[in-house]
Amino acid sequence: DAKTTQPPSMDCAEGRAANLPCNHSTISGNEYVYWYRQIHSQGPQYIIHGLKNNETNEMASLIITEDRKSSTLILPHATLRDTAVYYCIVRVEDAGNMLTFGGGTRLMVKP
Amino acid sequence: EADIYQTPRYLVIGTGKKITLECSQTMGHDKMYWYQQDPGMELHLIHYSYGVNSTEKGDLSSESTVSRIRTEHFPLTLESARPSHTSQYLCASSSGLVGDGYTFGSGTRLTVV
Repeated sequence: DAKTTQPPSMDCAEGRAANLPCNHSTISGNEYVYWYRQIHSQGPQYIIHGLKNNETNEMASLIITEDRKSSTLILPHATLRDTAVYYCIVRVEDAGNMLTFGGGTRLMVKP
Repeated sequence: EADIYQTPRYLVIGTGKKITLECSQTMGHDKMYWYQQDPGMELHLIHYSYGVNSTEKGDLSSESTVSRIRTEHFPLTLESARPSHTSQYLCASSSGLVGDGYTFGSGTRLTVV
């Protein structure tokens, strides 16, 4: 699976959009981009995933660049409860379907 | 409601004791996983299973063992607990379908004294 690079930490003001970047310059054509988050040592929670197109669900939006070498997770109106570690993961679906977690980005939403 | 359950949530146990961490899911998922996570550190895969009677070791070497006798149940056992086993253990499951994510349990925080 392709390696990802994320900033170790970010701050965001409550009510503002949180934009979390992820670099995956070695991504291959059949690798999906997944985002998970982990709130204070709870089990990670699936947020969103995409292959080529931008995606949106009730939690967030995922913007993938045209060359697929990077992506951005957008939380449109961050709340204090969005404070968590956010993981960007890319993986091939036929590689045993295992998730490999890196260090992620620790997002701190401040009042 | 379909979900994944881990028990106990917290466990403090003495050195040398045998322990089993329970993980059950009601989603009918074939694939199940155990991750280990020390405080503030990354998650590491220690065991996985593709279905009944299938178990494999993950990327991180672990002295624990697992079994998969039923689809919904994937327990993890430590035959003789040591302080070095103190950690959080997280169980997850997935359908294996393309694009499907993992569902994680709440974890078991184990302390061996």
